Amino acid sequence: QITLKESGPPLVKPTQTLTLTCTFSGFSFNTSGVGLGWIRQSPGKALEWLAYIYWDDDQRYTPSLRSRLTITKDTSKNRLVLVMTAMEPGDTATYYCAHGRIQYFDYWGQGILVTVSS
Amino acid sequence: QSVLTQPPSVSGAPGQRVTISCTGSSSNTGAGYDVHWYQQLPGTAPKLLIFGDKYRPSGVPDRFLGSKSGASASLAITGLQAEDEGDYYCQSYDRSLSGYVFGTGTKVTVL
Repeated sequence: QITLKESGPPLVKPTQTLTLTCTFSGFSFNTSGVGLGWIRQSPGKALEWLAYIYWDDDQRYTPSLRSRLTITKDTSKNRLVLVMTAMEPGDTATYYCAHGRIQYFDYWGQGILVTVSS
Repeated sequence: QSVLTQPPSVSGAPGQRVTISCTGSSSNTGAGYDVHWYQQLPGTAPKLLIFGDKYRPSGVPDRFLGSKSGASASLAITGLQAEDEGDYYCQSYDRSLSGYVFGTGTKVTVL
């Protein structure tokens, strides 16, 4: 059974850097075709894909936020990390990590609400 | 930035059929990339409903039907139930962005 759980600070100040961790279980990240992604959802808004990392360490980012995002994985600890710099109030959202099957996301974490406010 | 367009809302009485459209472009759905659908019930994380245009994961009722033609895809919910109320999102891959794209989302209301 695949499970994912996001963790991180619920509140960050503007200009600060956000670091989110996704702890996962139930699958091997060394399996061809497997990937993990981050998706966010601002209050009352649609889902927005942020970043994705494949089993071979290939990384993809949404173009509008590419300069602010870094996605990494630690397969020895079954962890996925997202770093987002220069946080601003518009980044307030629920951040989800999700298990990927090449083109879609079949398992999602519960999400973590991050508020950006001074 | 949603590049897949969906109607903001659809509604129907219990037992009825509703359909949600998802329209993309030549760089995503029109380029042959599959469309996938997610259901997000109030206060919960999204759940995969349909993958590969028309396939249901184990446990998803056959009341949910996916289809695709050209750059447009559709999700039909037959025999609408109160528990189906929530938001529905389509998703695909975009070759111009080299990444994933979601739809604008559709709120389903059971009257």
